[in-house]
Amino acid sequence: EEQLVESGGGLFRPGGSLRLSCAASGFTFSRSDMHWVRQATGRGLEWVAGIGTDHDTDYSDSVEGRFTISRENAKNTLFLQMNSLRAGDTATYYCVRSDYFYTMDVWGRGTAVTVS
Amino acid sequence: QSVLTQPPSVSAAPGQKVAISCSGINSNIGNNFVSWYQQFPGTAPKLLIDENNKRPSGIPDRFSVSKSGTSATLAISGLQTGDEADYYCGTWDSDLSAGVFGGGTKLTVL
Repeated sequence: EEQLVESGGGLFRPGGSLRLSCAASGFTFSRSDMHWVRQATGRGLEWVAGIGTDHDTDYSDSVEGRFTISRENAKNTLFLQMNSLRAGDTATYYCVRSDYFYTMDVWGRGTAVTVS
Repeated sequence: QSVLTQPPSVSAAPGQKVAISCSGINSNIGNNFVSWYQQFPGTAPKLLIDENNKRPSGIPDRFSVSKSGTSATLAISGLQTGDEADYYCGTWDSDLSAGVFGGGTKLTVL
């Protein structure tokens, strides 16, 4: 079964840092494009960052320069380093796999991040 | 303010058909694949259907999609109370080099 499991969420101070992790299993992680998508309570989905199989990265304007997405293929793990945290970063963060057409076909259960 | 525009809510009676629209521009819907996601309260979103009407295992063919130019539509026929959920459209925006979603549509089956 294709599975993504996020970890690393919790309560953090404004201006602080944290690193989210996402453990992938059941598929060839190294051949998959990966993303982080977040959702604040009661709000819609917001794409945060993506990384391709070639390690090329993209970021939303709201996190550019503060967040860094990375991957360690040998450990089938995706990361999101989050620096200079703001209250507006409070959300559930989902690890997501996409196909070549950016169809997000596998989602994790999410990890909650609170900045307060 | 979401890049893609969806109605905040739609409703219909059981057994009826409903359509949810998703509007964008050339750099997103106009030139990239659109997918739809379903989210029940308290759970993670999941892929519902892609632009080619390909559905993951377990998703019935009561769900279908269409696209014309810079707009896409999700249609749900034979509505059931179990279809009550939030529905999101999503795609890539080539100009922004970013993923984009609609604001989500809450479906109520009356």
